[in-house]
Amino acid sequence: DIVLTQSPALAVSLGQRATISCRASQSVSISRYNLMHWYQQKPGQQPKLLIYRASNLASGIPARFSGSGSGTDFTLTINPVQADDIATYYCQQSRESPPTFGAGTKLELK
Amino acid sequence: QVQLKESGPGLVQPSQTLSLTCTVSGFSLTSYHVHWVRQPPGKGLEWMGRIQNGGSTDYNSALKSRLSISRDTSKSQVFLKMNSLQTEDTAMYFCARWYYYDAYFDYWGQGVMVTVSS
Repeated sequence: DIVLTQSPALAVSLGQRATISCRASQSVSISRYNLMHWYQQKPGQQPKLLIYRASNLASGIPARFSGSGSGTDFTLTINPVQADDIATYYCQQSRESPPTFGAGTKLELK
Repeated sequence: QVQLKESGPGLVQPSQTLSLTCTVSGFSLTSYHVHWVRQPPGKGLEWMGRIQNGGSTDYNSALKSRLSISRDTSKSQVFLKMNSLQTEDTAMYFCARWYYYDAYFDYWGQGVMVTVSS
C-alpha cells in the first residue's frame, strides 16, 4: 500500500500562511494526473473535500485554499488562515488501490 | 441533493458482529461506488472497503477475513457486516461516495459511532 506521511501538527497565526505537506512512499502521478486529494475535518464532523487532483479547488471551497505538487510531494496552502480553518487536514491518494490517507495534520493557532 | 446516512447500533459486545447500513439519496448505487471508512477516537482515517457500481467488492487486506459489504439497490442501501469485534474496532464509521472520474470521495455521511464494550 502507498504510505502518505504528514506532519502531526502546525501552529499558525490568524491572517498568516499555512503550508501543510504530504509525502507519498511512491509516485501518485500518472502522466499529467496527480492523484492526490485533500480533505478538511473538524471535530465531530465528516471529512470535507477541499482539493482534488492536487490543485483543483472543490466546489464551494474558498480561494484561500490551494494545492500543488506532483510525484511524491504535495502541499496544501491556506492563505490567509481564518479562525474557521482550524481543523485537521488529510491527504488521500488514489493512484493505487487501496486508497490510503495520511495520518492528518492538525492546524492550531499560535 | 446527494446524501448518505449511516445507521446502526452504538454499542456492540466483544466477539459479536457489527451491522451498519448506509442509506443514500440523490444518486443511484448502480452509478457510483460506495466505500466505508472508519476513524478510531483521536486517530486518522482507515479505508475499510467498497462496493462498486456493478456490485463487486474490495476489502482492506487487514479486515478482509471479518468484513462483508453488500447492497440493496431497490432500497438505496449499502450494508457493512464485520464479525469478531474487538475493542480496537471502536470507531466512527463513515460511508462515502466515490467520484470515479477523478477518484476521490466527494460526499460523506455524518458517521455513526460504534463502541465495542461489554
